[in-house]
Amino acid sequence: AQTVTQSQPEMSVQEAETVTLSCTYDTSESDYYLFWYKQPPSRQMILVIRQEAYKQQNATENRFSVNFQKAAKSFSLKISDSQLGDAAMYFCAYRSATNAGNMLTFGGGTRLMVKP
Amino acid sequence: DAGITQSPRHKVTETGTPVTLRCHQTENHRYMYWYRQDPGHGLRLIHYSYGVKDTDKGEVSDGYSVSRSKTEDFLLTLESATSSQTSVYFCAISVTSGEAYNEQFFGPGTRLTVL
Repeated sequence: AQTVTQSQPEMSVQEAETVTLSCTYDTSESDYYLFWYKQPPSRQMILVIRQEAYKQQNATENRFSVNFQKAAKSFSLKISDSQLGDAAMYFCAYRSATNAGNMLTFGGGTRLMVKP
Repeated sequence: DAGITQSPRHKVTETGTPVTLRCHQTENHRYMYWYRQDPGHGLRLIHYSYGVKDTDKGEVSDGYSVSRSKTEDFLLTLESATSSQTSVYFCAISVTSGEAYNEQFFGPGTRLTVL
């Protein structure tokens, strides 16, 4: 079974600065997908960014980018120019490309605080 | 938001009572999921469905059952609620075509408290 670990329960960043959230995962598969979800106080789960394991290029979405290190099984999220609205819980998630159920395995989450 | 609604949004119940949570989607997605969210554990899969009347267990299925009699509805039942089932429950769907292929979208969540 796959496991996803987020080793930072809480992080804080100054507004306009850059912060990196860590995620590691354990799998014996070679083909899979990785995701970062944001959960603001509203509780809604919002997809931030996705990465296909077969792609070497790191995914980017505006101020959000990932550092995907397949050999190290590491998938960190970098948030540039942090804004107050970035304050939220962030979850890293793994999905097998071969599992017929398409289910996600989540890490325990990192709470990000943004200081004005 | 992929047209996912959950009802009720909040519920307080007593130990030993049955509880049913409903998830409704408007876009005919084949795959639907129930997760529970607890501090330190992220979201964990309870059950999922891959079609009408086709369901399977997830990581934390003990004490829960599900049913899917229509494509749009996926019900989660706690036959006899326990305090350990106090949690936030999320329904999700998986997109299997188009630009959002392989992505999951979540409903707004249901906060359940078992006293």
